[in-house]
Amino acid sequence: DAGVIQSPRHEVTEMGQEVTLRCKPISGHNSLFWYRQTMMRGLELLIYFNNNVPIDDSGMPEDRFSAKMPNASFSTLKIQPSEPRDSAVYFCASSLFAGTSDYNEQFFGPGTRLTVL
Amino acid sequence: DAKTTQPTSMDCAEGRAANLPCNHSTISGNEYVYWYRQIHSQGPQYIIHGLKNNETNEMASLIITEDRKSSTLILPHATLRDTAVYYCSTQGGSEKLVFGKGTKLTVNP
Repeated sequence: DAGVIQSPRHEVTEMGQEVTLRCKPISGHNSLFWYRQTMMRGLELLIYFNNNVPIDDSGMPEDRFSAKMPNASFSTLKIQPSEPRDSAVYFCASSLFAGTSDYNEQFFGPGTRLTVL
Repeated sequence: DAKTTQPTSMDCAEGRAANLPCNHSTISGNEYVYWYRQIHSQGPQYIIHGLKNNETNEMASLIITEDRKSSTLILPHATLRDTAVYYCSTQGGSEKLVFGKGTKLTVNP
């Protein structure tokens, strides 16, 4: 079975450029999460969707960041304009949420390593 | 979600049991304890979760204290491939997982 797919795996861009990260969740999963990981701040939840609807975006650092989920099989995280401090590994994860916390394993993608020069 | 605290790092000899503690003293009644691990730069991987009873699966065992304020993840026979950062988290009422700094476990030959 295909896991969570992220693209690109590596992205190097210059300050001020627009960056778009992509994620394809596991088929049948109804929740999708975007995380950012840096040495300084660790693994931070940026935003998550349930049934394509954004539920909690309190972790989105500022207006330069936006995320969309137009359908159940695709999500994007966009940074515009990008800054050097956005350099990090961005992970996408998906899960099948049944409405309780009994079992809610999140499956993570391989991540996108973003470098903003 | 309750805040968790874990030791920054631990060492374990190959073949021995690795016991990783986690403190979650502010956990509420409906919150579960989840453990994930991250090997090198890969995405985190689910290990185990529990509410108040001890749990065991093919990867590990989870021991939760009776007051639920702390828990211990046990890898019964650690191998070199278990070297990773282990994260303890609580989750209840929503799908949100809040990851702390985790414990870097190094399994030595």
